[in-house]
Amino acid sequence: VQLVESGGGLVQPGGSLTLSCAASGFTFSDFYMSWIRQAPGKGLEWISYISSRGSNSIYIDSVKGRFSISRDNVRNIVSLHMSSLGVEDTATYYCARGGGSLIDHWGQGTLVTVSS
Amino acid sequence: QSVVTQPPSASGTPGQRVTISCSGSGSNVGSNTVNWYHQVPGTAPKLLIYNNSQRPSGVPGRFSGSKSGTSASLAISGLQSEDEADYYCAAWDDSLTAWVFGGGTKLTVL
Repeated sequence: VQLVESGGGLVQPGGSLTLSCAASGFTFSDFYMSWIRQAPGKGLEWISYISSRGSNSIYIDSVKGRFSISRDNVRNIVSLHMSSLGVEDTATYYCARGGGSLIDHWGQGTLVTVSS
Repeated sequence: QSVVTQPPSASGTPGQRVTISCSGSGSNVGSNTVNWYHQVPGTAPKLLIYNNSQRPSGVPGRFSGSKSGTSASLAISGLQSEDEADYYCAAWDDSLTAWVFGGGTKLTVL
């Protein structure tokens, strides 16, 4: 199982950013996928998951209406589009396999810094 | 403030047995299975224990998990220097409709 995130970087408050995660080594379309973040020096916070076929997704309250998760089961990619970003969204964002039940494999993470 | 509580720190000497607690409520730990992850700073978390007490392939037998009611525990026996890491418990929360993580426990091997 390999999960490789990309798309992180520096963004101004109020800006937008899209993260991507390329999956390999397993049958991508069989698994829910999640995004989890970790603010600098802080703990883990699960943000969202998307069902295996992409028909269902849920979010934590703090990102509802601002973040959108999607997936492409042909290219084996899961994405997180983030808008109206605030400094509180600064974190390393991890893509992870699972979400409907067990979350078992994680990517190496991509850092998002929201700053002016 | 996490809805699942862990001690912020734990420590032990090589060879000792240490336990890390994870306290939740009826909507998370009390009604769903608990998973444990460990994270060496600067790296991604890795699954250590799932379904309260199951070890993924490759995880040594000196790591064990248990759950009773709204609390869970991770035990590490025969402590080794490479066990120094942050440890997190996690469970699905039926009320929040979200995965919740404990605040994490930093394990120091003295």
